[in-house]
Amino acid sequence: EAQVTQNPRYLITVTGKKLTVTCSQNMNHEYMSWYRQDPGLGLRQIYYSMNVEVTDKGDVPEGYKVSRKEKRNFPLILESPSPNQTSLYFCASSLLAGVSDTQYFGPGTRLTVL
Amino acid sequence: SQKIEQNSEALNIQEGKTATLTCNYTNYSPAYLQWYRQDPGRGPVFLLLIRENEKEKRKERLKVTFDTTLKQSLFHITASQPADSATYLCALPNSGYSTLTFGKGTMLLVSP
Repeated sequence: EAQVTQNPRYLITVTGKKLTVTCSQNMNHEYMSWYRQDPGLGLRQIYYSMNVEVTDKGDVPEGYKVSRKEKRNFPLILESPSPNQTSLYFCASSLLAGVSDTQYFGPGTRLTVL
Repeated sequence: SQKIEQNSEALNIQEGKTATLTCNYTNYSPAYLQWYRQDPGRGPVFLLLIRENEKEKRKERLKVTFDTTLKQSLFHITASQPADSATYLCALPNSGYSTLTFGKGTMLLVSP
């Protein structure tokens, strides 16, 4: 089944404890991205990747890192999480290197930082 | 960057009626615009893409219009059903077509 998977789906952690949220797609998509969604603020892009080894900042990159060593994986790293990073996170991918076609979203990761 | 406005108030309609949602943007007119559906706690799901040279696009009970002069897209659901209750998001690409900016969405509630 063609899909975008994220792990974990739920995570409660404490301030400063490094964590990684994984994202994987099995559709051979070029483009992958991370969003966070907060009440009243909507979906905001954190980072995106046009292809392997090519990443760039979105609208809210502070406090996050990403890597794209393989085409299918695009992990989101929080080196020192803070309470303001409590949010619902979505990974997305699309076939082409850009946003000119359908974005496929993962199921989301709900992160709470205490 | 693009600023997108969607009605923040929920739209309540009765089953069988047509729902009309609005997406207004303020800056440049992109080559296309997308609409997504999102259910609570779940990822957005793509519905339709409309290009600047397409005044109207249809898919089953869905219809989208794109007016680059007004900088507006309208999203219609005809013969609405309670299962159509969700939040609907419009999304526009940036000028380099490297990122998508999403509107905050409009919640649609269809009552039986």
